Amino acid sequence: DAGVIQSPRHEVTEMGQEVTLRCKPISGHDYLFWYRQTMMRGLELLIYFNNNVPIDDSGMPEDRFSAKMPNASFSTLKIQPSEPRDSAVYFCAGGQLSGNTIYFGEGSWLTVV
Amino acid sequence: AQSVTQLDSQVPVFEEAPVELRCNYSSSVSVYLFWYVQYPNQGLQLLLKYLSGSTLVKGINGFEAEFNKSQTSFHLRKPSVHISDTAEYFCAVSVDNAGNMLTFGGGTRLMVKP
Repeated sequence: DAGVIQSPRHEVTEMGQEVTLRCKPISGHDYLFWYRQTMMRGLELLIYFNNNVPIDDSGMPEDRFSAKMPNASFSTLKIQPSEPRDSAVYFCAGGQLSGNTIYFGEGSWLTVV
Repeated sequence: AQSVTQLDSQVPVFEEAPVELRCNYSSSVSVYLFWYVQYPNQGLQLLLKYLSGSTLVKGINGFEAEFNKSQTSFHLRKPSVHISDTAEYFCAVSVDNAGNMLTFGGGTRLMVKP
């Protein structure tokens, strides 16, 4: 299995631009998570889905952030407009109800200048 | 709600020396415990987990951890570290035994020196 696939791996964008991060989870995983990692705040859960339905988005920092999961094999995290303080590594992760492990992608490294 | 405290943000150690990375948690309900490792520029990878049974858990790469309910701790240990163990280590708890709803600690950077 290819694991959790995220794109882009690295992105540098200007303040005010729209950023879209993409995730392809492992087939069969019914949970999908978006995490953000920064030096200051560590790992934060932004939102998670169960069977493509958003369950808890209380970690989403502001209305500028939105996430969708139109089907079991694809999810996006969008930031519009982006700000320098959004610079971070964004991880997508997935798991199964019957499993005991979350599998992480390699992250999308976002820099907003 | 649950919380996780990793007491050391950085742990420098010489190669082949033993190491212990400390993790304490708080929760009003029973929890399941995990250690993840993050190598530079990579995602997180599961090292080991405690769900039930023996309180001493063995994981990959020679690491082990011991669940201590009375001290609410889950410290990670390795008897002899290698340069390749240099990474960030995260302790996490979940009240879901599927390990899906994880609360992470702040991480401990293990720096192994030759």
